Parts: sequence; C-alpha cells; structure tokens
Amino acid sequence: GEQVEQRPPHLSVREGDSAVIICTYTDPNSYYFFWYKQEPGAGLQLLMKVFSSTEINEGQGFTVLLNKKDKQLSLNLTAAHPGDSAVYFCAVSDPGTGSNRLTFGKGTKFSLIP
Amino acid sequence: EAAVTQSPRNKVAVTGGKVTLSCNQTNNHNNMYWYRQDTGHGLRLIHYSYGAGSTEKGDIPDGYKASRPSQENFSLILELATPSQTSVYFCASGEPGGGAEQFFGPGTRLTVL
Repeated sequence: GEQVEQRPPHLSVREGDSAVIICTYTDPNSYYFFWYKQEPGAGLQLLMKVFSSTEINEGQGFTVLLNKKDKQLSLNLTAAHPGDSAVYFCAVSDPGTGSNRLTFGKGTKFSLIP
Repeated sequence: EAAVTQSPRNKVAVTGGKVTLSCNQTNNHNNMYWYRQDTGHGLRLIHYSYGAGSTEKGDIPDGYKASRPSQENFSLILELATPSQTSVYFCASGEPGGGAEQFFGPGTRLTVL
C-alpha cells in the first residue's frame, strides 16, 4: 500500500522567515493530496487539498507544490508568523476504493524561534 | 457549531477493562473513520465505515472493534484495554467521493494504566 515519508520532523524558524516541509509518496497512481494543520490540543484542520492535475497551489501565506515525477509534495510557508506554530501533516488519498482512506505522514512540528 | 464531536475527551482506564469511545457527526457524511495518533507515527487508521451497519478494518485493527449504529454515530470499542493502547484517538467523517476532505473531531486522550 501507499507509504508517505515526511520531513523534517521538527522545524524552527524566526518570524518572517520561510520554511519547507516535504512529503514523498510511493503510489504513482495517487491523485489527491492533503495538508492538515493541528494546533495544540485540537483536531486536524484542512489547510489545502491538491489534485494531481495542479502542480502549484497557493494559499494565504503558503504555497503547495506537487512534483509528480519525483512523487513529492511540499508545503512552503512564507513569512512565518506566530499563528503558523502547529504540527503539519501531509496525507495521500487511496486511489483505488471509495473509502477515501488517507495515509498520513508522521508530521512536522513547526515553531518560531523566540 | 462543531460538526464532529467526541466523548469523552479524556479517559483513564485500567488494564483489562472495556473502553468505548464515541463519535457523533452532523455533516450527514456516509464515511466515518477512527485514527490513533502517537508520537513518531502520525495518524494511523484503525477502523472505518461506509454507512450505518458497516465497519471495515483499517491498517491497525487488532485489539479494537467498531460499531456504526446510525449515520451520525461511530464508536470504537476496546474490549480488553492494554497500556499499548494509550494514545490520542481521532474520529473523522467524510464523503465517499474521490478526494473528499475528512473532517476531524477534537480527539480523545486515553490512558490505560
């Protein structure tokens, strides 16, 4: 089945700096990808959904890039601010069934250096 | 108003005891999921359901049962709890269509002593 590797596990930057989180997946047939954000003590909230047909996806304060050739999905945080501190997870949707099962990366704990 | 709720939010259980975690969704989604979250493992799928009366095994179902008595409710049952089941458990709901988003509850922190 699908396997997802996420790196780095921890990431600390200064306010205003940029940061990149990368996920590598294994199934070349995967078509739907997700980035979730988890704030302390809370559930996961969707940051962005990415379709395989779109390589660049822009959100508020971040960009998601999909490199299908290398089977990589990246989350680029621009100009980090305190509200960005959280754990970020990538997830890949099972392409073969109607279950919409998600395979998650292990997460990246993102924080600002005081 | 929160669309996916979980109860209890915190639970302490004894080894060998029975634990039931409950999840309710008001999204009218067909699919529901149970995950556990552990440091170093991310979220792993335990059981999921396509609708009332349906339960399916996920990636780590051993030691867990699930029950979906209605569209709105999905329970996770630990018949004989063990300390290795100490974790944070998340319920989610979603549509079955390709690429549909999953909506998560706030989580239940379970400690098995």
